[in-house]
Amino acid sequence: DTAVSQTPKYLVTQMGNDKSIKCEQNLGHDTMYWYKQDSKKFLKIMFSYNNKELIINETVPNRFSPKSPDKAHLNLHINSLELGDSAVYFCASSQLLGYEQYFGPGTRLTVT
Amino acid sequence: AQSVTQLGSHVSVSEGALVLLRCNYSSSVPPYLFWYVQYPNQGLQLLLKYTSAATLVKGINGFEAEFKKSETSFHLTKPSAHMSDAAEYFCAVSGHGSSNTGKLIFGQGTTLQVKP
Repeated sequence: DTAVSQTPKYLVTQMGNDKSIKCEQNLGHDTMYWYKQDSKKFLKIMFSYNNKELIINETVPNRFSPKSPDKAHLNLHINSLELGDSAVYFCASSQLLGYEQYFGPGTRLTVT
Repeated sequence: AQSVTQLGSHVSVSEGALVLLRCNYSSSVPPYLFWYVQYPNQGLQLLLKYTSAATLVKGINGFEAEFKKSETSFHLTKPSAHMSDAAEYFCAVSGHGSSNTGKLIFGQGTTLQVKP
């Protein structure tokens, strides 16, 4: 069983479009995160949710909106996509804040 | 504020040789420290973690790391490299306790190349 899963794995879209990435974890964790990995492989946190409550919003443009319908899911919706949004987006989860995080396989977003 | 510096963006070793990947951190609070590995086109896999218990931490695949507070370091080692160890390695720090937001701050990563 996959612990943290993301869909889709690849996403190619044009500038200006709106897209969503879904994340699900079956670990029973309370906390979920979104990270962005740029072309130089640098990883930076975007959001974290604890028990469906937003904890961190790391100065991400408001075109990015996370949604947590329940503790097992954290989706990422992106409006008006820009070229600079091209990156790999990773979802992660942890049992509690500060505990080790388990990452999904990533979604490679390409904006043309 | 917390930060992580990984010395050496690229490390090359021969198969069977010692692997040493360097990580130094900065933190105003006692940190939790982690090493993750990323194989090509995959997500990050936790290798090991330091959470203020034993300073020498053993992880998966024969890796270990030692927390040295006086040197603010958490270097990753493996006595004998395998070809399968070739990957990107990330050191990360997070706070805990009252300062805990769960945010992982990553170093810039080190690419490990293993030569036959």
